[in-house]
Amino acid sequence: KNEVEQSPQNLTAQEGEFITINCSYSVGISALHWLQQHPGGGIVSLFMLSSGKKKHGRLIATINIQEKHSSLHITASHPRDSAVYICAATNTGNQFYFGTGTSLTVIP
Amino acid sequence: GAVVSQHPSWVICKSGTSVKIECRSLDFQATTMFWYRQFPKQSLMLMATSNEGSKATYEQGVEKDKFLINHASLTLSTLTVTSAHPEDSSFYICSARGRGPFSLHFGNGTRLTVT
Repeated sequence: KNEVEQSPQNLTAQEGEFITINCSYSVGISALHWLQQHPGGGIVSLFMLSSGKKKHGRLIATINIQEKHSSLHITASHPRDSAVYICAATNTGNQFYFGTGTSLTVIP
Repeated sequence: GAVVSQHPSWVICKSGTSVKIECRSLDFQATTMFWYRQFPKQSLMLMATSNEGSKATYEQGVEKDKFLINHASLTLSTLTVTSAHPEDSSFYICSARGRGPFSLHFGNGTRLTVT
């Protein structure tokens, strides 16, 4: 069993749709990361959060510590949002636990 | 914003040779750097964690003699794949943690192909 589970694995959406990607973890964490990997391989750290909610542009990340669950939302999705989104949990010992990723395709 | 530069972005080498990958934090001091490997269509796998001036901590199953990590300064870490074999072909990514509690930045990765 993976310490970090992501769903869905693949997601196709029409441009403009509201998108949610879910992440559940079973380990104690100090932070939860949402990463975006573009087709060329480059990775961008979208959010790092330990509680509550963060918003950046059309992206919103939430975390519920009690339920060990985090969500990444994309409002008004756009084809340029097409990428693989990875959830990763870290503990105070710098251990990383990665989800398997969600491949998002936004169709014009 | 903070930037991590990884070089080269791609490299092709012959079996038995060694390849060095550099990871530099350009505008911040990286207290800790991480090296990952990614197989096709899979998520990242942490290989090792390195702190400036000390030996890297390798994850279970990662050969420290094959994947040499040097973190010589607060802005530079290198990963050397020694005596490379075709099965070492992969996408290698570094990340660097700054001093802030929520500071983690990734390089663009290096695609290694061993022929």
